[in-house]
Amino acid sequence: GAVVSQHPSWVICKSGTSVKIECRSLDFQATTMFWYRQFPKQSLMLMATSNEGSKATYEQGVEKDKFLINHASLTLSTLTVTSAHPEDSSFYICSARTSGFETQYFGPGTRLLVL
Amino acid sequence: AQSVTQPDIHITVSEGASLELRCNYSYGATPYLFWYVQSPGQGLQLLLKYFSGDTLVQGIKGFEAEFKRSQSSFNLRKPSVHWSDAAEYFCVLYQGAQKLVFGQGTRLTINP
Repeated sequence: GAVVSQHPSWVICKSGTSVKIECRSLDFQATTMFWYRQFPKQSLMLMATSNEGSKATYEQGVEKDKFLINHASLTLSTLTVTSAHPEDSSFYICSARTSGFETQYFGPGTRLLVL
Repeated sequence: AQSVTQPDIHITVSEGASLELRCNYSYGATPYLFWYVQSPGQGLQLLLKYFSGDTLVQGIKGFEAEFKRSQSSFNLRKPSVHWSDAAEYFCVLYQGAQKLVFGQGTRLTINP
């Protein structure tokens, strides 16, 4: 149980285009979903927290207009990287938790390469 | 401020040998602590967690961790490693307000 999926697993796009990444909780209802960014050989950095039906809360330094997060249902959250630039190339990971539990379950990640 | 330190960036052990990955935390109250493993192409997988109670926590894949409040540590151990244990390991602290604080990670290499 507690499986989280992400789609796509990797994406290459041109600079200036937008990319959408989906995060789904497959066998549980996720009241809260999280988006992280991981640079090569580094740890995970929290970008934003989203609760179903509410606006996402962004961490300091994360541009909310660039990284649009939508958590429209209890099983789906999306991250859209708008007007992507090469410096946005990274590994994006989502996680999800259900109400009352502190454990987060992580997706496999999406590798984004912006040319 | 809450923080997690994993002193060892990279550890190499021989297959069949014992393993201990170190983790130290800084937190004012009783911490919630986790160990996650990240394998290439796979998501972070929860190995074990400590919320309260017994300070020796058993996890999946034969791993265990011991919470030592006096040393602010939560070290991960395994008596005999397998080649499939090669991965990146993260010690994680629940910071509160739904947020996790990650250690820097320890990359484990297994020699045949």
